Parts: sequence; structure tokens; C-alpha cells
Amino acid sequence: EAQVTQNPRYLITVTGKKLTVTCSQNMNHEYMSWYRQDPGLGLRQIYYSMNVEVTDKGDVPEGYKVSRKEKRNFPLILESPSPNQTSLYFCASSILGTGTGTEAFFGQGTRLTVV
Amino acid sequence: AQKVTQAQTEISVVEKEDVTLDCVYETRDTTYYLFWYKQPPSGELVFLIRRNSFDEQNEISGRYSWNFQKSTSSFNFTITASQVVDSAVYFCALTHTGTASKLTFGTGTRLQVTL
Repeated sequence: EAQVTQNPRYLITVTGKKLTVTCSQNMNHEYMSWYRQDPGLGLRQIYYSMNVEVTDKGDVPEGYKVSRKEKRNFPLILESPSPNQTSLYFCASSILGTGTGTEAFFGQGTRLTVV
Repeated sequence: AQKVTQAQTEISVVEKEDVTLDCVYETRDTTYYLFWYKQPPSGELVFLIRRNSFDEQNEISGRYSWNFQKSTSSFNFTITASQVVDSAVYFCALTHTGTASKLTFGTGTRLQVTL
């Protein structure tokens, strides 16, 4: 089954404790992205990757890091989480960039709470 | 800069009523894509439709229909004979064509369908 898998689904952590949210896709997609969803703000892009070892900032990259060492994986790293990073996070992948009209497939979401 | 406005924060209807979700967008690009996604209570994002800026034909898929009007920069979504299973948050999104890999989302409209 074609899918984007995020782990964990739920996470409560403390301020400053480094964490990684994993994302994996099994569709051989080139493009992968991370979004965060906040009430009243919709979804906003954090980082994206056009291919292995190619990543770039989205609209709200501060406080986040990503890496793309393999085509299928695109982990999101919070080196020192803060309460304002409490949010619902989505990983997405697509064959090509959405600028080609390609549909983006989203993971199930990771609800992160930073206390 | 791109912007998507979904002015209706929340809509409540009774089952079998028709309902229209509004989406107004802003972009300086002459070519772009518009999308609708559904987020049911389980939280995942489900792709519904894609429309490119050259194609102003309305589309119907079962009880769903979409009205794209470039002249008013709108891409509205109508559900005919709504059902309880239609209860969800619906997002409209925009991307410009090319190598872009970012969806600009609206803030979403929560639709509640009751018996």
C-alpha cells in the first residue's frame, strides 16, 4: 500500500530535549516536505527536499532541521524544542513538486506537545 | 506573495442540505494550481481535487462539485445532499507552477453535518 508513515503519532516532551520525528514514503517520490498545522493558520511549510541531499527552507524553518540521506526518509529534527513548537506536524511526498500539479500525499500527522 | 482565504471558519448543516465552501486566492502568477483537501476527524489529509489555472471547467464528482472562476479568483466547493461522513475540515490550497514544492493553504473550514 502506497503511504507516508510518520512516527510517533503523539509526543509530549519537555523544553530543550532534542527530538526527531521520522517520515518515510514507499512511493519512490522525489519531493518531500514538512508542514505544521496550527489553529487559525492552516498548514505552513517548514522545510522541503527536492531529492537526496537537497533541502531548502519553507515559510517557518526556525527551530527545525531536516536531512535527506535516503530518498524514502525525511526526518524532522527539533534540536531544542520550545512550547511555541507545540503543533500538529505533517510530512508530505509527491512524485514531483506540487508546482507541476502533482498530488501531495500526507502522513497521518504527529501531534507534538512541548511543556 | 500567495494567499488563500477561507472566510468561513465553521459551517453547520443538517444532513441532505447542500453546502458551499468558499475559497478565494491571491497570486501574481499567471499559471498556478489549486487543490482541495479534506481532513476528517481522524486527522489525515485526503486529496480531493486539483485544478490548473488554464482549466476553468467546473468539475463534478458524485455529490461533490467545484466552481473555478478566474475572474473572481475563487475556487468554491459544493457538497450536494450532505451526509454525516462529510463532517471534516476542508482546506483549499494554491501552488505556482514550475519547480515549486510548496502548497499555500487556507485556514480551513470546519463542516459539521448533523442528523
